[in-house]
Amino acid sequence: DAGVIQSPRHEVTEMGQEVTLRCKPISGHNSLFWYRQTMMRGLELLIYFNNNVPIDDSGMPEDRFSAKMPNASFSTLKIQPSEPRDSAVYFCASSLPHSSYNEQFFGPGTRLTVL
Amino acid sequence: AQSVTQPDIHITVSEGASLELRCNYSYGATPYLFWYVQSPGQGLQLLLKYFSGDTLVQGIKGFEAEFKRSQSSFNLRKPSVHWSDAAEYFCAVVPNSGGYQKVTFGTGTKLQVIP
Repeated sequence: DAGVIQSPRHEVTEMGQEVTLRCKPISGHNSLFWYRQTMMRGLELLIYFNNNVPIDDSGMPEDRFSAKMPNASFSTLKIQPSEPRDSAVYFCASSLPHSSYNEQFFGPGTRLTVL
Repeated sequence: AQSVTQPDIHITVSEGASLELRCNYSYGATPYLFWYVQSPGQGLQLLLKYFSGDTLVQGIKGFEAEFKRSQSSFNLRKPSVHWSDAAEYFCAVVPNSGGYQKVTFGTGTKLQVIP
């Protein structure tokens, strides 16, 4: 298995532009997580999907952020409009049917820079 | 409030020396406990986890961790560090209370290995 796939690996954009990050979870995993990692705030959960349905979006910063999971093999995280404070590494992770003790498998991340 | 603490931001050890990374948690009951490792430019990878039973758990890459209820700790250890162990290490906890529970990650400990 190729593991969790994220694209792009790096994204540089200007303030005000729309940014879309993509994730393909491991086949057979029906739980998907989006995280944001910064030096100041560490690793933060943004949103959690189970069976393509958003279960916990309490970590989504504001209305500029949105996430979708149209099917079991694809998810997107969109920021519109982007701001410099959104600069971070964004990780997607997937796991087997969610239970608190299931291991999460992380993708390599997307490093976003907003100028 | 529930929390997980990694008191050491940065640790430097010599190759071949032993290693102990500290993790303390504050929860009402014993949570599920995890250690993840993040190599530069990569996502997080699970090293080991503790749910119940034997308080000394073995993980991948020669790591082990010991759960001590009296100290609310779950410290990670390795008898002899290799240069390839240089990475950032995250302790994570999940409340053991059934259903969906959010994973809380510590702030991480960055390990430097010197020849």
